[in-house]
Amino acid sequence: SYVLTQPPSVSVAPGKTASITCEGNNIGRKSVHWYQQKPGQAPVLVIYLDSDRPSGIPERFSGSNSGNTATLTISRVEAGDEADYYCQVWDVNSDHVVFGGGTKLAVL
Amino acid sequence: EVQLVESGGGLVQSGGSLRLSCAASGFRFSNYAMSWVRQAPGKGLEWVSGISGSGSSTHYADSVKGRFTISRDNFKNTFYLQMNTLRADDTAVYYCTKGSDVVLPAAQFDYWGQGTLVTVSS
Repeated sequence: SYVLTQPPSVSVAPGKTASITCEGNNIGRKSVHWYQQKPGQAPVLVIYLDSDRPSGIPERFSGSNSGNTATLTISRVEAGDEADYYCQVWDVNSDHVVFGGGTKLAVL
Repeated sequence: EVQLVESGGGLVQSGGSLRLSCAASGFRFSNYAMSWVRQAPGKGLEWVSGISGSGSSTHYADSVKGRFTISRDNFKNTFYLQMNTLRADDTAVYYCTKGSDVVLPAAQFDYWGQGTLVTVSS
């Protein structure tokens, strides 16, 4: 089955840029979606189709996808961005939705 | 405004059954695939099952195939997850999610319910 690998945690100072990676075999050929989940809350879609932003999501959130790595980038990080972030794809071989293991973003 | 409201969670013994429901509003329900995603305590997200807008196509995670059944009633704007032969490792918050397209492969989950807790005691 298809596996997505994310770093368990990423730390960043306020105002700096955070990059969260999602690795998978030839992930660049798939559409990647990203979700933010704050403690006690349901996840929220922050990036879809690799790099598109839903309405209401700040421009500070951006995404890219190429080769074996997709990346969620958060610019000018704020304390309110502290959350768990998950990547997600559709695996055509298994007909399954696949989530990455999640990355906890800590704002120092 | 899109709203997804889950119900049916609770405490059940191992081997038992439970039926989750998700009532949807604020969009043309039959035009969108729907899915269940769960999250065990302190763990990450796990997709459980999905169903196309018409209900003709269903998909299941390997961990629940043969035990869980997804269905939908497009007249009631509601979809369901029938969970049988429950195990302790099915304990999780179950979220209902709206897909962005009529078929699951093309869809990201653009709206989520608040979740319902299922606890399976051994």
